[in-house]
Amino acid sequence: GDSVTQMEGPVTLSEEAFLTINCTYTATGYPSLFWYVQYPGEGLQLLLKATKADDKGSNKGFEATYRKETTSFHLEKGSVQVSDSAVYFCALSRNNQGGKLIFGQGTELSVKP
Amino acid sequence: ETGVTQTPRHLVMGMTNKKSLKCEQHLGHNAMYWYKQSAKKPLELMFVYSLEERVENNSVPSRFSPECPNSSHLFLHLHTLQPEDSALYLCASSQGINSPLHFGNGTRLTVT
Repeated sequence: GDSVTQMEGPVTLSEEAFLTINCTYTATGYPSLFWYVQYPGEGLQLLLKATKADDKGSNKGFEATYRKETTSFHLEKGSVQVSDSAVYFCALSRNNQGGKLIFGQGTELSVKP
Repeated sequence: ETGVTQTPRHLVMGMTNKKSLKCEQHLGHNAMYWYKQSAKKPLELMFVYSLEERVENNSVPSRFSPECPNSSHLFLHLHTLQPEDSALYLCASSQGINSPLHFGNGTRLTVT
């Protein structure tokens, strides 16, 4: 069945460091891909999405490119801030907009000043 | 303020108790979801309601019983739970099951 695998956390970075969180997926057909973020004590929020191969989703300085050849959707940010500390979830959906999502296990990011 | 409100935020219950989790969405959406978030595990989709009808039940034990009386409200009735049911229960809504999800802040459930 469909699945999503993320790099294990926690990831600890200093402020202004470069961030990469790896995500790979297994799915038939052409799923849509998403990154959600969960700040402490809160629910998940959609961070960015891509609906077809080679699409790049971006938001708040974060980017991820849908790579069908490597079945990947890695999250990147050039310069992280303390306020980016959160848990990041990669997800896919067989529908083209993302109602019934399959999530990865989440990667905790901690950014130190 | 989130458009999806869950109550209570925290709940501690014994294995013989009966309790209910409540979710209310103020976004005019017509699909609602229950997810279970356990430590170091992917979020698990439990139930999906579209237009107040259950369209998915992912092999969830019968000790969890959902109810969707209208498009704005979703409940999860709990009875005779096990300690391994302790988790964060997240409610979400969307406009149709093909649209992005909006999540509530969750109910942290502890079963003793």
